[in-house]
Amino acid sequence: GENVEQHPSTLSVQEGDSAVIKCTYSDSASNYFPWYKQELGKRPQLIIDIRSNVGEKKDQRIAVTLNKTAKHFSLHITETQPEDSAVYFCAASKGNQKVTFGTGTKLQVIP
Amino acid sequence: DADVTQTPRNRITKTGKRIMLECSQTKGHDRMYWYRQDPGLGLRLIYYSFDVKDINKGEISDGYSVSRQAQAKFSLSLESAIPNQTALYFCATSNAGTGDSQYFGPGTRLLVL
Repeated sequence: GENVEQHPSTLSVQEGDSAVIKCTYSDSASNYFPWYKQELGKRPQLIIDIRSNVGEKKDQRIAVTLNKTAKHFSLHITETQPEDSAVYFCAASKGNQKVTFGTGTKLQVIP
Repeated sequence: DADVTQTPRNRITKTGKRIMLECSQTKGHDRMYWYRQDPGLGLRLIYYSFDVKDINKGEISDGYSVSRQAQAKFSLSLESAIPNQTALYFCATSNAGTGDSQYFGPGTRLLVL
């Protein structure tokens, strides 16, 4: 089955700096790669996703890049703010298979 | 997201008791999932269902069972609760037609004494 690895497990950045979280996947047939944000005490929520026919997608301060050849995808957050502090999960899936989540990255933005 | 609801939101029970956690959705999604999250850890899949007649085990199904009563309802049961089942439980839904992005319920905090 699919295996998703996520790094780093924790990340601290100064407010205003950029943050990058990386994930690798094992199944080359995976074609959908969402990212979820989980604030303390709350449910995970989808923040951005990318499909295998696209190399990059951007939404304001967040962007996701996908390298199908290397089987890795990354989340980029620019101009970080304290409200970006949360746990971020990457995931991968294909068609009729269940979604596989990464282990999560705890991001701390230091004011 | 009010479209996915879980009951109860908090539950304290004793070792050996049978309990049921319920999940309902009004999103019209065909797929439903139960996850467990332990403090500081990620999401682990317990069971999932792609339609009413489909039930699949996840990575940590031992000690749990599920029932998909209708497209909108998916229940998780702990037949005989034990303390290491103390955790935060999330129900989630998705729709294969829209890429499987998951919509999570608010979670149920379970404490087994």
